[in-house]
Amino acid sequence: QKEVEQNSGPLSVPEGAIASLNCTYSDRGSQSFFWYRQYSGKSPELIMFIYSNGDKEDGRFTAQLNKASQYVSLLIRDSQPSDSATYLCAPAGNNRKLIWGLGTSLAVNP
Amino acid sequence: DARVTQTPRHKVTEMGQEVTMRCQPILGHNTVFWYRQTMMQGLELLAYFRNRAPLDDSGMPKDRFSAEMPDATLATLKIQPSEPRDSAVYFCASGSSGLAGGKGDTQYFGPGTRLTVL
Repeated sequence: QKEVEQNSGPLSVPEGAIASLNCTYSDRGSQSFFWYRQYSGKSPELIMFIYSNGDKEDGRFTAQLNKASQYVSLLIRDSQPSDSATYLCAPAGNNRKLIWGLGTSLAVNP
Repeated sequence: DARVTQTPRHKVTEMGQEVTMRCQPILGHNTVFWYRQTMMQGLELLAYFRNRAPLDDSGMPKDRFSAEMPDATLATLKIQPSEPRDSAVYFCASGSSGLAGGKGDTQYFGPGTRLTVL
């Protein structure tokens, strides 16, 4: 079993729809959970992190965490073509290291 | 605008040559991470420094790769000799481990070095 699992996609949604990206992880000791966005040919950039069970909202983005189910998700409301990118899920492991998933490719169609 | 910088941005070299990549972490950050990214493997951690001390280099091929932090403003990753299978994008990231919770785990990435070994 991989430490972090994400559906590779591509996930295709129409402009204006809600995009839902999911991630499961194996380390029950993880406390912080990160979502990064990576455009093709660019470096990963932080979208947000979540620390507590439940929802955390930041603009059009909502992260959801369920530690009991070892599941974290990212919802993107009112998806825009500029949201087309790969989204990386990364729980924090030991010693401030992040454990990276392979990412989900999102395509938002105009 | 604080950013991680990396040089060179692109490097094409021949098999057997030495390659040196440099990273300047964000001023005040005390953790530095070197990653390699390929389509198949995703982000692989090669080396991790905290307060300039190496904490983890288990992901790095020891026979040809080496990583150092000669001072707090410079981290280097060297490959000698380089091989075609080393072709990838190499990212440096920095963070501030003294911050509590998620802020202390956050990593900020540089633009990367795209390495091609012929």
